[in-house]
Amino acid sequence: GQQVMQIPQYQHVQEGEDFTTYCNSSTTLSNIQWYKQRPGGHPVFLIQLVKSGEVKKQKRLTFQFGEAKKNSSLHITATQTTDVGTYFCGWTGNQFYFGTGTSLTVIP
Amino acid sequence: DTEVTQTPKHLVMGMTNKKSLKCEQHMGHRAMYWYKQKAKKPPELMFVYSYEKLSINESVPSRFSPECPNSSLLNLHLHALQPEDSALYLCASSQRTSGPSYNEQFFGPGTRLTVL
Repeated sequence: GQQVMQIPQYQHVQEGEDFTTYCNSSTTLSNIQWYKQRPGGHPVFLIQLVKSGEVKKQKRLTFQFGEAKKNSSLHITATQTTDVGTYFCGWTGNQFYFGTGTSLTVIP
Repeated sequence: DTEVTQTPKHLVMGMTNKKSLKCEQHMGHRAMYWYKQKAKKPPELMFVYSYEKLSINESVPSRFSPECPNSSLLNLHLHALQPEDSALYLCASSQRTSGPSYNEQFFGPGTRLTVL
């Protein structure tokens, strides 16, 4: 069956450092979405990628979908304390699935 | 209005109680979802309603009973729950469940359920 790994599970960074989380699949994904969940909050949609090799940017956030549509990454440049939270990738198979998430801590 | 509302925010219930969780959206979305989220875990899909019909039931125990009275409302009826059912229950909606461009899901704030 389809297996998607999200790494790392946890990441602590100094404010101003960069951060990257990855989702890697054993099979081709039709699309990938990214969500952010603040501590005590609910998931909030960030972006959807559907095309091979697609790259999208939102201010300091850069999202990529691999050429083979088997992996995706979310990169944050110069992290701020407001970036704290858990970042989940998600994808559509028989239903919608979330990755295991990467919990980001930003140290002021 | 781009908001999904859920009530109650917190719920404590005994194993013999019957309670209901409510979810509402006024974005005209035709797909609505129930998720269960345990601490430090990703949300797990429980049910999907598409055009007010149950389209996905992810092998959820019968002590959880969903209901979609109309396109804006989604309920989750709870009966004879177990302590391990304690979790954050999230409702979400999207324009549809499938298609060339899978739609983003808008999540409500959740109901934090504790089963004693």
